Amino acid sequence: GAGVSQSPSNKVTEKGKDVELRCDPISGHTALYWYRQSLGQGLEFLIYFQGNSAPDKSGLPSDRFSAERTGGSVSTLTIQRTQQEDSAVYLCASSPRDRVNYGYTFGSGTRLTVV
Amino acid sequence: AQKITQTQPGMFVQEKEAVTLDCTYDTSDPSYGLFWYKQPSSGEMIFLIYQGSYDQQNATEGRYSLNFQKARKSANLVISASQLGDSAMYFCAMREIGRGNNDMRFGAGTRLTVKP
Repeated sequence: GAGVSQSPSNKVTEKGKDVELRCDPISGHTALYWYRQSLGQGLEFLIYFQGNSAPDKSGLPSDRFSAERTGGSVSTLTIQRTQQEDSAVYLCASSPRDRVNYGYTFGSGTRLTVV
Repeated sequence: AQKITQTQPGMFVQEKEAVTLDCTYDTSDPSYGLFWYKQPSSGEMIFLIYQGSYDQQNATEGRYSLNFQKARKSANLVISASQLGDSAMYFCAMREIGRGNNDMRFGAGTRLTVKP
C-alpha cells in the first residue's frame, strides 16, 4: 500500500478483555516496529521484526503483550487481560530494511481506551 | 537512563521567524543516528531530518536544519521561516548503531506553536 495502515483507529474495551491491533506495513518493507505513546508522552519501543529473524521483544512491558508477523507482512499486537494503564496510542512503523539512516514511516496509530 | 532529553515542553514563535528546538542525547556508542519527527494534531509521525554521528556536515532538508554539536552531544532542530502549519509536536530520536540496537529512542517532545 501507499502507507502504513493500522486498524482499528480507535478501540474502547473493558478492563480484563483481550484486544488485537493490526498493522499493514508498506509493501516491501522488511522491518516493522511497534511503539506505544501515552498521553502527552514520547514514544516507547515495544517490539521489532526484521524479515524472518526472531523478533526483538525487549520493549514489551509485560507477558500480557505479544505480537506476531505473518508472512513477513501484516503484524498483530495482542494485549491480554487489558488494564487501564494500557490506554495509549499504539503506533506501527516500517522501513525498507534495517537501514540506520532511514526515517521510519509511521501509521496513524490505534487509540486504545480501557474502561 | 534517559537517552534523549528535550528540555522545552512548549515553544512559541512568530510566523516567518526562525526557531530552535533543543535536543541533547547520551550514548557511549561512537556510531549512532539522530532523527527529528513532527507529529501534528492528526497523530501521524512525520520524518523530518537525519544526522549520522560520523557526518561532517550539518544535515539540511528544506527549511529544516540540524545543528549538530557532537562534543556537547546536542542535535538541535532549526526551523527557518516558520509557517502556521509547523505548529505540532516535535520529537528528537536516536539509534545506537554500534550496539546493534533495533529500537529508536525518543525524547518527550516539544510542542511548537506558530503565532500569526
